[in-house]
Amino acid sequence: DQQVKQNSPSLSVQEGRISILNCDYTNSMFDYFLWYKKYPAEGPTFLISISSIKDKNEDGRFTVFLNKSAKHLSLHIVPSQPGDSAVYFCAATVYGTSYGKLTFGQGTILTVHP
Amino acid sequence: GAVVSQHPSRVICKSGTSVKIECRSLDFQATTMFWYRQFPKQSLMLMATSNEGSKATYEQGVEKDKFLINHASLTLSTLTVTSAHPEDSSFYICSAGPIQETQYFGPGTRLLVL
Repeated sequence: DQQVKQNSPSLSVQEGRISILNCDYTNSMFDYFLWYKKYPAEGPTFLISISSIKDKNEDGRFTVFLNKSAKHLSLHIVPSQPGDSAVYFCAATVYGTSYGKLTFGQGTILTVHP
Repeated sequence: GAVVSQHPSRVICKSGTSVKIECRSLDFQATTMFWYRQFPKQSLMLMATSNEGSKATYEQGVEKDKFLINHASLTLSTLTVTSAHPEDSSFYICSAGPIQETQYFGPGTRLLVL
């Protein structure tokens, strides 16, 4: 049972354009969501998070949008840079009761072309 | 962000031997740490929750006698793969967080069992 899904295995974007990575979840108990970036043979790096009390959170080039009714979140990267090329994972948890236990999506490979 | 380290980064061992992997939180204390495993081209699979001062909690399908977890202090958790076999070869990653809902990951340990 895949409670967090990233349906696009890969995404290719031109440098300077917007990258939009999508994530869907099925567990309505999830109320805190995170995005991680991962390079091969390295641990994931935390990018940005959002609580279900918000519908948008922004940090520099990264913005996460949350649509609770659709159980959908997205990560926007503007402008995209070649160094953004990596695997992006979305993750979800139940704030205050999961004690940090995250459920991950399958990941999306982002390639940013110069 | 918070810093989590892992040691070793890479280990090669013979089948039947045991391997210990350390996970340390460098600038914060963590009562809970998590151990994940990642197979090639797959998502992160949570193996177990490491609890300081008490027994670890294992996910379904993870053999607790094979993957021994010890969380002896607020900054150190260890994962010991006992009697390792080639199918145990994988990338092992730990996580911890000063705020449990936002987890920071170690750089990972690549285990190769010959």
